[in-house]
Amino acid sequence: DIQMTQSPSPLSASVGDRVTITCRASQSISSWLAWYQQKPGKAPKLLIYKASSLKSGVPSRFSGSGSGTEFTLTISSLQPDDFATYYCQQYSSYSRTFGQGTKVETK
Amino acid sequence: EVQLVESGGGLVQPGRSLRLSCAASGFTFGDYAVHWVRQAPGKGLEWVSTISWDSGRIDYADSVKGRFTTSRDNAKNSLFLQMNSLRPEDSALYFCAKDIWGYSGYDPHPFDYWGQGTLVTVSS
Repeated sequence: DIQMTQSPSPLSASVGDRVTITCRASQSISSWLAWYQQKPGKAPKLLIYKASSLKSGVPSRFSGSGSGTEFTLTISSLQPDDFATYYCQQYSSYSRTFGQGTKVETK
Repeated sequence: EVQLVESGGGLVQPGRSLRLSCAASGFTFGDYAVHWVRQAPGKGLEWVSTISWDSGRIDYADSVKGRFTTSRDNAKNSLFLQMNSLRPEDSALYFCAKDIWGYSGYDPHPFDYWGQGTLVTVSS
């Protein structure tokens, strides 16, 4: 199975900060990567798919990049609503594995 | 409005069985692959299983292969997860989710809508 590793975890930041989360795949997954946001007690929410495509309705401060084995999720200016846990997921293989998650917490 | 509502969770002893259901509405259920994802308390997301729109392909995580069975009833807009030989490590909140695109063969896709989950606790 393809393993997904996220860093850092956790991530301490302040409102207004530029935040970058990295996700690495154990083998090439082309651009078949999604990012999700999850808040406590809630279901995950899809933010980005195909590494860099923003889902409709998701604020433009979120962006994704990368291909092959290394990917990043960037929040250009962290807002109070963005404190949450973020997961990457590969869908290159039928075993659609998630990263372990990165919790963005208040510095 | 797309809705996915899981049910069937509860407390069960190790070695016993449980059947989860997911009722879908607000979209053409029979056009989409659907999934089970679980999350142990305080832990991350773990993909469990995917069933294609036509039940022609069903995939399982290694951790549940041979013990869990996924099925669907497109006429009733429902997804099921039959869980046998349950272990304490199967304790988790179980979510159902749908593919972002419908009727697109068997290629994997991300998940755009999720239910709120049903809690399974395996303990004696």
